[in-house]
Amino acid sequence: EVQLVESGGALIQPGGSLRLSCAASGFTLSSYEMDWVRQAPGKGLEWLSYMSSGGNTKYYADSVKGRFTISRDNTKNSLYLQLNSLRAEDTAVYYCARESNGYAFDYWGQGTLVTVSS
Amino acid sequence: QSVLTQPPSVSAAPGQKVTISCSGSSSNFGNSYVSWYQQVPGTAPKLLIFETNKRPSWIPDRFSGSKSGTSATLDITGLQTGDEADYYCGTWDSNLSSGLYIFGSGTKVTVL
Repeated sequence: EVQLVESGGALIQPGGSLRLSCAASGFTLSSYEMDWVRQAPGKGLEWLSYMSSGGNTKYYADSVKGRFTISRDNTKNSLYLQLNSLRAEDTAVYYCARESNGYAFDYWGQGTLVTVSS
Repeated sequence: QSVLTQPPSVSAAPGQKVTISCSGSSSNFGNSYVSWYQQVPGTAPKLLIFETNKRPSWIPDRFSGSKSGTSATLDITGLQTGDEADYYCGTWDSNLSSGLYIFGSGTKVTVL
């Protein structure tokens, strides 16, 4: 059974850093393209970052470019998102998602909440 | 602000049909597939439609998708109370200033 489990969300002060993890099971992470998506409270979905299956290609939304970094550990079958220089507007539930046919996200984690506040 | 425009809400009685529109531009719908997601509040999104009009095996055929030009549509027939949720369209966009992947603004479906 395919599962994605995020962790690492926390209450963090503005300007702080955090690393989110996404543990995959039921499939090999390095065989798929993976993404991070977030949802601010009461708002819609916002795509954040993409990593190719080979790990060589990464993309970021303008809103997080230069502050967030996507990475992967194949030995742990886990995906990560490093969040730096956090701002209040980064407060959201963060989801990792697996890409499938036609650039669709066929499996999602349950999400992890990041709250940026002093 | 999303570049894919959806109506904020639609509603219908049980058993009826609802149609959710998603309006984009040539930089996204012009050359890319559309996906649709269902999100019950407090839970993660779930894939409903991929490659514009295909359903994952676990999605009933009451859900169908289509696209014409720079607009896409999700139809839900035989509406059920369990269909009450937020629905989002999504696609890749070749205009990088928009973000590589974009979601629609979301539509809340209410079963009357």
